[in-house]
Amino acid sequence: TQLLEQSPQFLSIQEGENLTVYCNSSSVFSSLQWYRQEPGEGPVLLVTVVTGGEVKKLKRLTFQFGDARKDSSLHITAAQPGDTGLYLCAGATTGSARQLTFGSGTQLTVLP
Amino acid sequence: EPEVTQTPSHQVTQMGQEVILRCVPISNHLYFYWYRQILGQKVEFLVSFYNNEISEKSEIFDDQFSVERPDGSNFTLKIRSTKLEDSAMYFCASRKTSGIVGELFFGEGSRLTVL
Repeated sequence: TQLLEQSPQFLSIQEGENLTVYCNSSSVFSSLQWYRQEPGEGPVLLVTVVTGGEVKKLKRLTFQFGDARKDSSLHITAAQPGDTGLYLCAGATTGSARQLTFGSGTQLTVLP
Repeated sequence: EPEVTQTPSHQVTQMGQEVILRCVPISNHLYFYWYRQILGQKVEFLVSFYNNEISEKSEIFDDQFSVERPDGSNFTLKIRSTKLEDSAMYFCASRKTSGIVGELFFGEGSRLTVL
């Protein structure tokens, strides 16, 4: 069974601060996705990383895939209240119809 | 922008009743999925569907669950006899044929409450 552990589970910071969320596994993934989920809504895809060591930037968000394709991080620079939400990492394996194994999520609160 | 749509957004039912949750995936997508999320817990895989048949199902997806694509647009999840523990958000998702493995597009979910 593939497991993805996210840390921290909860993070509350002031507007303007930087933060990093981690997603770790003992399994190798073909790709890793980061989703953001608002209360009562479905996960919304933020980014997909495929290559070991890959770094992708989405405005103030930087996503990195570990060299061994077992872990990933999400770094937010100068967080804003609009960044508040549940951030989920999810790993996928080629050839698996199951598609995605989700982490437990990091609930981020950015205080004005 | 195309999106996955789900109905109903919320359904309340009595234990033992049948429930059908409906999904309209993005039109040019051919891979379909159901996931569920019990309040406060992880998003869990239920079933994947391709070419009019189940590709894989989880241990959660027992004989009480079934999926169907009755026409060219709808994708349904049926729970024959609901249990209290079936209360959850149910998410439908779809993927492009040529899409990256794991790059799924989710609907907004159907909240099922079993009393």
